[in-house]
Amino acid sequence: DAKTTQPPSMDCAEGRAANLPCNHSTISGNEYVYWYRQIHSQGPQYIIHGLKNNETNEMASLIITEDRKSSTLILPHATLRDTAVYYCIVLLYNNNDMRFGAGTRLTVKP
Amino acid sequence: KAGVTQTPRYLIKTRGQQVTLSCSPISGHRSVSWYQQTPGQGLQFLFEYFSETQRNKGNFPGRFSGRQFSNSRSEMNVSTLELGDSALYLCASSSWELNTGELFFGEGSRLTVL
Repeated sequence: DAKTTQPPSMDCAEGRAANLPCNHSTISGNEYVYWYRQIHSQGPQYIIHGLKNNETNEMASLIITEDRKSSTLILPHATLRDTAVYYCIVLLYNNNDMRFGAGTRLTVKP
Repeated sequence: KAGVTQTPRYLIKTRGQQVTLSCSPISGHRSVSWYQQTPGQGLQFLFEYFSETQRNKGNFPGRFSGRQFSNSRSEMNVSTLELGDSALYLCASSSWELNTGELFFGEGSRLTVL
């Protein structure tokens, strides 16, 4: 599975968009990009995933570059409850062997 | 719809003992994965079971084992506990048949080894 690189921490003002980058330069053609987040002391929560097209759901948007070597998770209007560690993972579909990295600790500030 | 249930939520053991943790997946989910989370190593994949068969295994010693029952409930066992096994053990279930591609995690079992 491809490895990912994320900044260790980011801050965002409440109500503003949070843009979390992820580099996955060794991703292969059949690997998906998944995003999860973990709020302190809770189990990780699925956010979104995609292959090559941009994706949007009620929680976030996922923008994948055309060469698929990087992606950005966008939380359009961050709230204090979005403070969490965000993990970017790449893996084959139908493979639950998710290798979580260190993630990005997002702090939303009032 | 009930979520993933893990029991017990907290437990304390001493070195050399063994422990069994239980996970009940979301109804209809046949895949169950286990993860270990520690401050130093982060979230690490232990193993995955699908239809009672281990499908994937992470890089953990043989003291860590698991199984899945016909009703998809899963247990993991750690024998000869070491201090370093103190961690949050997370279980996740998924249903690839529904094509959602997401894991649903439980709240975890926090193990302390003294």
